[in-house]
Amino acid sequence: EAGVTQFPSHSVIEKGQTVTLRCDPISGHDNLYWYRRVMGKEIKFLLHFVKESKQDESGMPNNRFLAERTGGTYSTLKVQPAELEDSGVYFCASSQDRGVASYNEQFFGPGTRLTVL
Amino acid sequence: GNSVTQMEGPVTLSEEAFLTINCTYTATGYPSLFWYVQYPGEGLQLLLKATKADDKGSNKGFEATYRKETTSFHLEKGSVQVSDSAVYFCALSGGSSASKIIFGSGTRLSIRP
Repeated sequence: EAGVTQFPSHSVIEKGQTVTLRCDPISGHDNLYWYRRVMGKEIKFLLHFVKESKQDESGMPNNRFLAERTGGTYSTLKVQPAELEDSGVYFCASSQDRGVASYNEQFFGPGTRLTVL
Repeated sequence: GNSVTQMEGPVTLSEEAFLTINCTYTATGYPSLFWYVQYPGEGLQLLLKATKADDKGSNKGFEATYRKETTSFHLEKGSVQVSDSAVYFCALSGGSSASKIIFGSGTRLSIRP
């Protein structure tokens, strides 16, 4: 079974440009999460989709970030316009839905390393 | 809010040395606790987990015990190998954090042959 995949693995752009990151979750996983690690600090939660709906977007830093999950399959995270402080590694994770009382293990992708110059 | 504090790195040890990476947490409710590992060039992998107080998670020779009285989840391994070189993240989920994972800042571990 394929794991979570992310594209691209690396992206180098200039300040003010637009970048779109893609995440393909494990097939059948309704939950999809975005996280990022900036400047070697802790990995921080950005948002959580359940199918195509945003369940929790409390971690999105500002309105330059737009996440979508049309059709409830893959997801994109667009940064427009990119700023220097957006550099970091963006991780995607997915999990099954086993109900509120159960722990739904999140499986992570390899991440996209974004560098904004 | 919920948070995780872990030992800062980098940590450099010789092969077969004993490893401890300290981790403490702050949480409301009853979170689950995890250690994730990121090997060079790879994604995050769940190393071990514990879902309630006094549970011990273990995998690949690593262990961590959920200590509610000290709010700790220290990672230990009795004899490290070069292949254990990686970045280790302590994390929690649940309690007031619902389904999102709260991570510590990560500890880079390097093992010398």
